[in-house]
Amino acid sequence: SQTIHQWPATLVQPVGSPLSLECTVEGTSNPNLYWYRQAAGRGLQLLFYSVGIGQISSEVPQNLSASRPQDRQFILSSKKLLLSDSGFYLCAWTRMDTEAFFGQGTRLTVV
Amino acid sequence: GIQVEQSPPDLILQEGANSTLRCNFSDSVNNLQWFHQNPWGQLINLFYIPSGTKQNGRLSATTVATERYSLLYISSSQTTDSGVYFCAVAHRGSTLGRLYFGRGTQLTVWP
Repeated sequence: SQTIHQWPATLVQPVGSPLSLECTVEGTSNPNLYWYRQAAGRGLQLLFYSVGIGQISSEVPQNLSASRPQDRQFILSSKKLLLSDSGFYLCAWTRMDTEAFFGQGTRLTVV
Repeated sequence: GIQVEQSPPDLILQEGANSTLRCNFSDSVNNLQWFHQNPWGQLINLFYIPSGTKQNGRLSATTVATERYSLLYISSSQTTDSGVYFCAVAHRGSTLGRLYFGRGTQLTVWP
């Protein structure tokens, strides 16, 4: 069966520091991969998605970037964190014909 | 993007009561999912239901795609049902994981 892993679970970083969050999927190949953010309040917003290695689409302008160095690996990065980058980040995957499944999330606090 | 509206925003129930959560969306979709966000933030898949009716134990869901709404029914509610319920949709023609989320319904079930 397929599983999705995210780490770390929680992270406290100072303003101006770099960020790297990793997501990997097991048990499938050629997944579509997504990064979402849940800010204060409840809604989730799509940040990036990828349909293949090296292919990244950005949904909203922001201080973050994403990369997909391997088929089942998706990385969210920042060179310099802002206070406004705080939030709950979730990675998700789909295949062409499947629903979306989410990882357990990373709670990021920028101080 | 698609507008997704969920109602009610908050719902407080006594254990054993039944409830109906509603999701309205503004355009044609090829994916509609209901999630339960647990206290640790993880999104638990409840239903993948772009159309029709499904049931899983005490939960059931109905989507009427032509009228652009979906309903989630919870019967004989339990305290473990507490949490935030999200509806999310993807545009017809889009990859299934490019989801637009509603703001959720916060459900609290008292013993």
